[in-house]
Amino acid sequence: GAVVSQHPSWVICKSGTSVKIECRSLDFQATTMFWYRQFPKQSLMLMATSNEGSKATYEQGVEKDKFLINHASLTLSTLTVTSAHPEDSSFYICSARGGEGAIVGQPQHFGDGTRLSIL
Amino acid sequence: GDSVTQMEGPVTLSEEAFLTINCTYTATGYPSLFWYVQYPGEGLQLLLKATKADDKGSNKGFEATYRKETTSFHLEKGSVQVSDSAVYFCALSDPTGGFKTIFGAGTRLFVKA
Repeated sequence: GAVVSQHPSWVICKSGTSVKIECRSLDFQATTMFWYRQFPKQSLMLMATSNEGSKATYEQGVEKDKFLINHASLTLSTLTVTSAHPEDSSFYICSARGGEGAIVGQPQHFGDGTRLSIL
Repeated sequence: GDSVTQMEGPVTLSEEAFLTINCTYTATGYPSLFWYVQYPGEGLQLLLKATKADDKGSNKGFEATYRKETTSFHLEKGSVQVSDSAVYFCALSDPTGGFKTIFGAGTRLFVKA
């Protein structure tokens, strides 16, 4: 149980295009989803937290207009990288927390990540 | 604020060797503690967790004990395999921090045959 599907797994596109990444919880309702960015051989950097039906909360230093997050349903969140440039190339990972809300000991469930390469 | 510190890697071991990856934390509240594993090109998978002092989390031969007195959650395995080669992340989730998960920097493990 607790499967999170992230799509696509790999994207290569030209500079200036926008890229949408989808994150779905397949067998549970995710009230909260998280988007992370991971640089090679580094830890995960939390970009934003999104709750279903409300605006995402962005971490300091993350451009809201650059990284658009939509959490329109309890099973789907999307991250759109707008007007992508080579410096946006990275590994993006989403995760979800279950419908019980935030409770003690509740882990996050991660997607397999999306490798984004901007030429 | 809350933080997690884990030993720097990479850690290189021979198959069947004993593994320890140290992890210490600071938290304002009473956090839950986790170990996640990331295999190459994949997302993170929960390996084990503990929610209160002296709890031992265990899975796939790995174990870690929640030590409140030393604020530690060291990961151990008695006999590693080549397939254990991955990056291991220690993490905490603190109720006073809105249950936001804080990750350590990760420790890369290489196991040689």
